[in-house]
Amino acid sequence: AQSVTQPDIHITVSEGASLELRCNYSYGATPYLFWYVQSPGQGLQLLLKYFSGDTLVQGIKGFEAEFKRSQSSFNLRKPSVHWSDAAEYFCATFMKTSYDKVIFGPGTSLSVIP
Amino acid sequence: DTEVTQTPKHLVMGMTNKKSLKCEQHMGHRAMYWYKQKAKKPPELMFVYSYEKLSINESVPSRFSPECPNSSLLNLHLHALQPEDSALYLCASSLMQGTDTQYFGPGTRLTVL
Repeated sequence: AQSVTQPDIHITVSEGASLELRCNYSYGATPYLFWYVQSPGQGLQLLLKYFSGDTLVQGIKGFEAEFKRSQSSFNLRKPSVHWSDAAEYFCATFMKTSYDKVIFGPGTSLSVIP
Repeated sequence: DTEVTQTPKHLVMGMTNKKSLKCEQHMGHRAMYWYKQKAKKPPELMFVYSYEKLSINESVPSRFSPECPNSSLLNLHLHALQPEDSALYLCASSLMQGTDTQYFGPGTRLTVL
């Protein structure tokens, strides 16, 4: 069955440093992939998505992600982290059952040190 | 505009109370969803409505009763809840049910005493 894993439960970075959050998917065909961010006590905000085409996807808030089929990965990057980026980040995909269901990875919690 | 609104923001209720959560979108989306999210966990799908009809119920207990009065509104009626039902309840919508991108509301933080 399709799934996504996020190997890092928690990451701490200094403000201004670069960031990479890892996401690995398991799926036969080209998957639909998403990154969502959730600030404390808030809903999920879509950062970016990949369906097909250019494997480097630009999103909001200065984030980008790269789809690498050979590594089954869809890692999220940001060149310079701001304190307001501290949040929970979820990678997600669709799982094909009798219907298309969004499944989320376990999430990566990002802390930013001033 | 990709806004989904939810009211109330916070709700505290006793186990014998009846309350409702409301969700609204004006993006012309025809699929709407309810998710439940416990602390430090990803959201879990509860219900899906497509064209105002319930299309998916993920084996949710009957004390949760969804309703879709029109294409813009989605309600979740709560009755006789248990303390373990305390969670963040998220509403989402997408253009159609399927592989369209889902946009989430800010959620309702529910506490059951």
